[in-house]
Amino acid sequence: GAVVSQHPSWVICKSGTSVKIECRSLDFQATTMFWYRQFPKQSLMLMATSNEGSKATYEQGVEKDKFLINHASLTLSTLTVTSAHPEDSSFYICSVEAGEAYEQYFGPGTRLTVT
Amino acid sequence: AQSVSQHNHHVILSEAASLELGCNYSYGGTVNLFWYVQYPGQHLQLLLKYFSGDPLVKGIKGFEAEFIKSKFSFNLRKPSVQWSDTAEYFCAVMSASSASKIIFGSGTRLSIRP
Repeated sequence: GAVVSQHPSWVICKSGTSVKIECRSLDFQATTMFWYRQFPKQSLMLMATSNEGSKATYEQGVEKDKFLINHASLTLSTLTVTSAHPEDSSFYICSVEAGEAYEQYFGPGTRLTVT
Repeated sequence: AQSVSQHNHHVILSEAASLELGCNYSYGGTVNLFWYVQYPGQHLQLLLKYFSGDPLVKGIKGFEAEFIKSKFSFNLRKPSVQWSDTAEYFCAVMSASSASKIIFGSGTRLSIRP
């Protein structure tokens, strides 16, 4: 399966600043990547589908201007949380669609804390 | 809209006990079904999946799941658990018509007493 990394693994930022999270597919060229958000003791919520070379597709209720996604290459997708607020504090996880049809491989996640 | 329900939030078992974790989904069309596991401090890993064919699916580490279409269920089972099975388990569904988009259940935390 595909190996997926995320950077940073955790980040603390001040309210009002922007934070960029990287998702890399280390051994597979991924045309499609996904971004999820996971609140403590809750499930993963799909935020958006990142498509290489085109605009991301956002789920209902997710602000595209606040969560900027750039999938500039087949191995890298970035999620930028703009003007972060404490309620944006969460665990952000990316996944890569690879291998057999519809199989997703997940990154280790990035814990964001906004103070 | 699709949804996935995992009714057991936290299950505590002793080693060698049998395990069954419930998963029900709501969607009228054709679905693909998954169970993912998240060990402490690690990322999500696929345990098993069902796309079509034999409704009894065998996965890694001795886990299996049975798709019962009439009950909209996809319960996860293991005949004899080990301490190393301590983890968070997520059931997930993808409709065949909206390929790639996976909806996750709320997860079940499994704790195994050594």
